[in-house]
Amino acid sequence: KQEVTQIPAALSVPEGENLVLNCSFTDSAIYNLQWFRQDPGKGLTSLLLIQSSQREQTSGRLNASLDKSSGRSTLYIAASQPGDSATYLCAVLYNFNKFYFGSGTKLNVKP
Amino acid sequence: NAGVTQTPKFRVLKTGQSMTLLCAQDMNHEYMYWYRQDPGMGLRLIHYSVGEGTTAKGEVPDGYNVSRLKKQNFLLGLESAAPSQTSVYFCASSMTGTGNEQFFGPGTRLTVL
Repeated sequence: KQEVTQIPAALSVPEGENLVLNCSFTDSAIYNLQWFRQDPGKGLTSLLLIQSSQREQTSGRLNASLDKSSGRSTLYIAASQPGDSATYLCAVLYNFNKFYFGSGTKLNVKP
Repeated sequence: NAGVTQTPKFRVLKTGQSMTLLCAQDMNHEYMYWYRQDPGMGLRLIHYSVGEGTTAKGEVPDGYNVSRLKKQNFLLGLESAAPSQTSVYFCASSMTGTGNEQFFGPGTRLTVL
């Protein structure tokens, strides 16, 4: 069974800091990898989708990279803000019915 | 454009009761999914559908049934609820399977006593 691991499980940083969230997966034969944000008691909001043929995707202050050969993806958040506080989940798609989620990194950005 | 909606938002059941969770999407997506989210276990796929009239089992299908009679709706049924089915249930949809991002609903928090 494929595993998706996110480290760290929790992270607390002061406002304005640049930070990196990590996602690793055991099987490199992926179709795509998606990063989500989840606020407490809410659903998942899609942040970035990286296809297997891509190395990175950017949206505003967010940049996600993908290294299939090493089984890793990183989500870089520039100039963090208190509004970025949430749980960030990565999900790896191996097929249309094999979508594995990590347990998430809970981010707290302190004013 | 409401995206993906789920009803109800909260529900409390007694062991053995039945209920149906409704998911609706207005994006004309072909694929729809039901997940459950449990602390420490992440999200796990229960059932999915690749088009109207089709359904298939995911990773944890036992105790659940689904139906996709209309393209925009995906129903998740619990025939005889058990405390182990206490969870938060999320519905998601995507245009196709492998190339497109998934869009999630707000979730249904279910407690089985």
